[in-house]
Parts: sequence; C-alpha cells; structure tokens
Amino acid sequence: TQLLEQSPQFLSIQEGENLTVYCNSSSVFSSLQWYRQEPGEGPVLLVTVVTGGEVKKLKRLTFQFGDARKDSSLHITAAQPGDTGLYLCAGAGAGGTSYGKLTFGQGTILTVHP
Amino acid sequence: KAGVTQTPRYLIKTRGQQVTLSCSPISGHRSVSWYQQTPGQGLQFLFEYFSETQRNKGNFPGRFSGRQFSNSRSEMNVSTLELGDSALYLCASSLVAGATGELFFGEGSRLTVL
Repeated sequence: TQLLEQSPQFLSIQEGENLTVYCNSSSVFSSLQWYRQEPGEGPVLLVTVVTGGEVKKLKRLTFQFGDARKDSSLHITAAQPGDTGLYLCAGAGAGGTSYGKLTFGQGTILTVHP
Repeated sequence: KAGVTQTPRYLIKTRGQQVTLSCSPISGHRSVSWYQQTPGQGLQFLFEYFSETQRNKGNFPGRFSGRQFSNSRSEMNVSTLELGDSALYLCASSLVAGATGELFFGEGSRLTVL
C-alpha cells in the first residue's frame, strides 16, 4: 500500500513569511501532483512533477520532486492572504494495482494572516 | 468550457438507505474517477472508469459501486449506508486514463448519514 505523509498538518503564518510543505513516502511514484482546495470546492491542480530532481516554479510557489521520486516539497515565498487554503500532494502509481489511482497526503491547512 | 458537474451537491440519508451520486465530466474527457474525502482519512480513491470499464478500485467494501455510461457520465452508488459513509464524494475527469493526466475535480456531493 502506497502512503504519502504530508507535513505540517496546520500552518498559520503572517503575510510576507515563507513556508515549506513536505510530502514523503517510502514508495516511488511515477509523478507527483500538488493541489489546492478551498472550502466548498474540489481540489484544483497546481503542478505535476514527473522527473526525479525536477523543480517547477509557479509565481511565488516552487515545487520540487525528490531525486528518488519518493518525496516532494512546496515552498511559498512571501505568502499572501490569498494563499490560504488546503494544500494536497498526490502521487500517481507506476501501474498494476496503482493504475488510475492517486494517493493523497493528509493535506496542509494554510492560513495566512494579513 | 463547462467543468465537472456533480449532483446532488448536498444530501441527507439515514442508516440503511442507499444513495446514487452523479458526475458529468468535462466534454471530451473519457476518464472519470471517484474519491471520498473525510477529515480523518483525507482523500481516498474509490474507483476509476475509462470508456465504460472500471480500471481500478480502491479498498472500499462492496457496498460502494459505480458505473460509466457511453456518454462518459458516471454514477456511484452506496447501499446500506453507515454513519461512517458521511463524507464529501469527489468526482474527477481527465482526458487520459491512469491518473497521469491533469484531473479536474467537481465541487463534490456532501453526504450526511444520520
């Protein structure tokens, strides 16, 4: 069974601070996706990382996939109140019983105070 | 283009009843997957359908079932409802099968079992 451990579970920071969310597993994933979910809505894809060591930037958000494709991180620079939400990492299995299935981390609830 | 549409958005049932949830994917998307989201367990994979065929199923009891129609619309059914089935049920559609492409989530159907 593939598991993704996401930390921290809760993060409450002031506007302008930097933060990092981690996603770790003992399993290898073919790709890893990061989603953001707001109350009353479904998750929205932020980025997909596929190659070990890959780094992707989306404005103030930086995503990294570990060399062994078992872990990932999301770093937000100069957080803003609009960044508030639930951040989820999700790994796509390589096949077999993992086909078509995303394994989600527990999520990180981020609150950015003005 | 129209997003993923899930109906109903909210519903309340009592233990022992059954429920059917509907999902209309984005036009042209042939893959539909279902996830259960609860505060304690996070998002857990239920099943994925592609071209009317179930490609994978998560670790849920047989009370949870689904199907996909020729127009790619999907339904999931939960029979003999239990209190623990209370959750947000999310449907996601994708152009390609196997959770390798971008998943577009609907807003979910929030089920409360009394």
